[in-house]
Amino acid sequence: GEDVEQSLFLSVREGDSSVINCTYTDSSSTYLYWYKQEPGAGLQLLTYIFSNMDMKQDQRLTVLLNKKDKHLSLRIADTQTGDSAIYFCAERAGGYQKVTFGTGTKLQVIP
Amino acid sequence: GAVVSQHPSRVICKSGTSVKIECRSLDFQATTMFWYRQFPKQSLMLMATSNEGSKATYEQGVEKDKFLINHASLTLSTLTVTSAHPEDSSFYICSARPLRTYNEQFFGPGTRLTVL
Repeated sequence: GEDVEQSLFLSVREGDSSVINCTYTDSSSTYLYWYKQEPGAGLQLLTYIFSNMDMKQDQRLTVLLNKKDKHLSLRIADTQTGDSAIYFCAERAGGYQKVTFGTGTKLQVIP
Repeated sequence: GAVVSQHPSRVICKSGTSVKIECRSLDFQATTMFWYRQFPKQSLMLMATSNEGSKATYEQGVEKDKFLINHASLTLSTLTVTSAHPEDSSFYICSARPLRTYNEQFFGPGTRLTVL
């Protein structure tokens, strides 16, 4: 079955860049997502990337995809205290509705 | 746009009672809604996929008679936890996929269920 893994915790200083990593096992993954979850809240879609892309940039967010290694990363430039949250990567194979979520990475931003 | 609401946001109930959670897409129509369960400090676990006008598809290990899902309209799905037990205490999150989209899901804010 599908498996998506992330490191559990990341701590960075305000103003630095954060890089959150994710690995997945399903080679048929077509869509890969990054979601943000603040305490006690639902999930907010930050960005997604198609599997035929290597990189996607959206303001402070940069997503890198290494399909060969099944590795996805999210870079947050100029990290702010408001970026403190849990970040989930997720994958979905084309033609199948189920989205599989990673274990989540808790990002702590130190002022 | 693309707002999903859940009601209630928090509920406390006694063991043996049933609890209904509503998920609504406020400004779009959704043929498909998803129900997830999230344990503390853990990832989301998909419980079931709900398609408007048809029976929900449950993931392996999820009891369909325990977690009743109804998706009667394009903007509303409900999850009823029947005969709730303390182990059912969790954070339940729904998401909705808009019509004519394929790769986007919009999540509700979640419902914290505590069973005493």
